[in-house]
Amino acid sequence: KNEVEQSPQNLTAQEGEFITINCSYSVGISALHWLQQHPGGGIVSLFMLSSGKKKHGRLIATINIQEKHSSLHITASHPRDSAVYICAVSQGTSYGKLTFGQGTILTVHP
Amino acid sequence: DTEVTQTPKHLVMGMTNKKSLKCEQHMGHRAMYWYKQKAKKPPELMFVYSYEKLSINESVPSRFSPECPNSSLLNLHLHALQPEDSALYLCASSLRLAGAYEQYFGPGTRLTVT
Repeated sequence: KNEVEQSPQNLTAQEGEFITINCSYSVGISALHWLQQHPGGGIVSLFMLSSGKKKHGRLIATINIQEKHSSLHITASHPRDSAVYICAVSQGTSYGKLTFGQGTILTVHP
Repeated sequence: DTEVTQTPKHLVMGMTNKKSLKCEQHMGHRAMYWYKQKAKKPPELMFVYSYEKLSINESVPSRFSPECPNSSLLNLHLHALQPEDSALYLCASSLRLAGAYEQYFGPGTRLTVT
């Protein structure tokens, strides 16, 4: 079993829909990261969080430390949101090493 | 400047060639990373530098040789690569190694080994 599990693996939505991507982890963490990668492109850090909730534009990330679970929400989805979304965790003693989930491929149709 | 730059964007090399990938950041970050990413897979950590010293080598073959000549620059020297080494090579940096810091990624170098 992977230390970081994401669901779903693939997600298709219509423009304007509310989207949720889930991430569960089984190790102690110092922070959880949500990353975005467009096809063929580099990776952009969306959020780093260790508790509670963060919001940036149409994106919201939440984390429940007790349940070892995080969600990434996208409100009013748009075709430009189509990308791979990756959940990753950093552990305090891991010298900055990120443990990645397998990613969620999101496709938003106009 | 909150950008990590990587050159070249694309590289095609033969198995007997020697080439280098370059990564640069001017954010004052003291931790820098090399990752390898195969298609449809998450990145795999290769090397970590902290204060220009190699901190982590994730059992990477010696045909990959990292170098950190100063706090802003990270190189990856390539020699005698195999076709299975074809991948996207990503560089990242963060403020420090210890603790939890956001990692800033570059756009990557798409490497093809023929």
